[in-house]
Order: sequence, then structure tokens, then C-alpha cells
Amino acid sequence: GAGVSQSPRYKVAKRGQDVALRCDPISGHVSLFWYQQALGQGPEFLTYFQNEAQLDKSGLPSDRFFAERPEGSVSTLKIQRTQQEDSAVYLCASSPGTGDQPQHFGDGTRLSIL
Amino acid sequence: DQQVKQNSPSLSVQEGRISILNCDYTNSMFDYFLWYKKYPAEGPTFLISISSIKDKNEDGRFTVFLNKSAKHLSLHIVPSQPGDSAVYFCAATFFNQAGTALIFGKGTTLSVSS
Repeated sequence: GAGVSQSPRYKVAKRGQDVALRCDPISGHVSLFWYQQALGQGPEFLTYFQNEAQLDKSGLPSDRFFAERPEGSVSTLKIQRTQQEDSAVYLCASSPGTGDQPQHFGDGTRLSIL
Repeated sequence: DQQVKQNSPSLSVQEGRISILNCDYTNSMFDYFLWYKKYPAEGPTFLISISSIKDKNEDGRFTVFLNKSAKHLSLHIVPSQPGDSAVYFCAATFFNQAGTALIFGKGTTLSVSS
């Protein structure tokens, strides 16, 4: 497709389980961002990739959060030992170059931790 | 401390009238601002942007005004249409700097009645 694709759209997990969220950016886009959007809030930055290199992970809330983009295209955000406060919408965005705007967002994955 | 603030959680406007959405920011170093529109269960969609070297940018029914001295920007929609009903996010960033995340406000829900 032409846009940023995220899967699954919805994920329900029990507290303590591990989850993996996938992002397929626009083809050829160098920059990839992950954001977390809590209910009633704006998206908040988690991490940034330039091609396969994770250049900024300052927004990851704990060491339970891990992201990768091994071949510089698809990215996976993994959350280990999930907790209820991890419940949120996780958004992925990409842009063509290294400083380009705007960022183009996917529809997100809504994660619910029971 | 929120760097981008949208102090009105909601706004109701009649079809055909003007909608004005406001946004304030605290970091005077921000030099690029964007507005995104979000429908339920979809990701944010880019609407319009403005560089700090300008004070106005217009695209069809949408105009963004920037007042740097007041650290304030606004989005005007004229005329408003029912399809404009959505959540609008203001975002700020540093233009053309690799890997710079967008800093979002909490959003304003616009309802346009016919």
C-alpha cells in the first residue's frame, strides 16, 4: 500500500505477557518514529530509526520496551512483561529523509492490557 | 511540563462558519509547526504546516497563523464543513534536524453541525 501500515490494529494481552507490534513504513522512507498515545493525550515520542540504526530511544518508558528495524524497512516494537499502564495506542510514523516533515502516520495499534 | 498546549478540549461550530483552533508553545527554539487531523480509529493525517520565518500559510479552506512573540499559533477553517469534525493536534519541532520528534498538544475536538 501507499501509506504506513501497522499490525495488529488491536491487541489484547494479559498482564505479564510479551507483545510485538509491527510497522511497515512507506517504501523508501529513511526515518521511522514510534509514538505512544494515551487516552485523551497527544502522541508522545518513543524512539527513532534512521534506516536500520536506532539513533534515539530516549522516549522508551522502561527497559521492557525494545524496538528494532533490522533491514531498514519494517520495524517491530516489543513490550516485555506488559503492565496495565502500557495500555495505549502505539503509532508509527515515517518520513522520506532524515529531517523531512511532515511525518506520515499509520492507523496505530490499540493495546489493551488486562 | 507541556511544551505544546491546546487549552480548549472541544469546539462546536455551525456549518459554514469559521472554526478557530488555538495552540500555545513554551520553547522559543521551535521553528516548525504542524497541524494534524485525526478521525476515530485512524492515525493522525497531516493538514498544514508553517515555518517560523512566516506568519501565515494558507491551503484552501485552511489557514495557519503564527505569532512568534506570543508563542501562539492558530488554525482557521473557513467555511467549516461537517466532514471537518475530528480531533485536531498541534505539533512543534525543529526543522530539518535528523530524527527530531514531533511534540504534540493534547488535541481539540471540533464538532461541526449542519
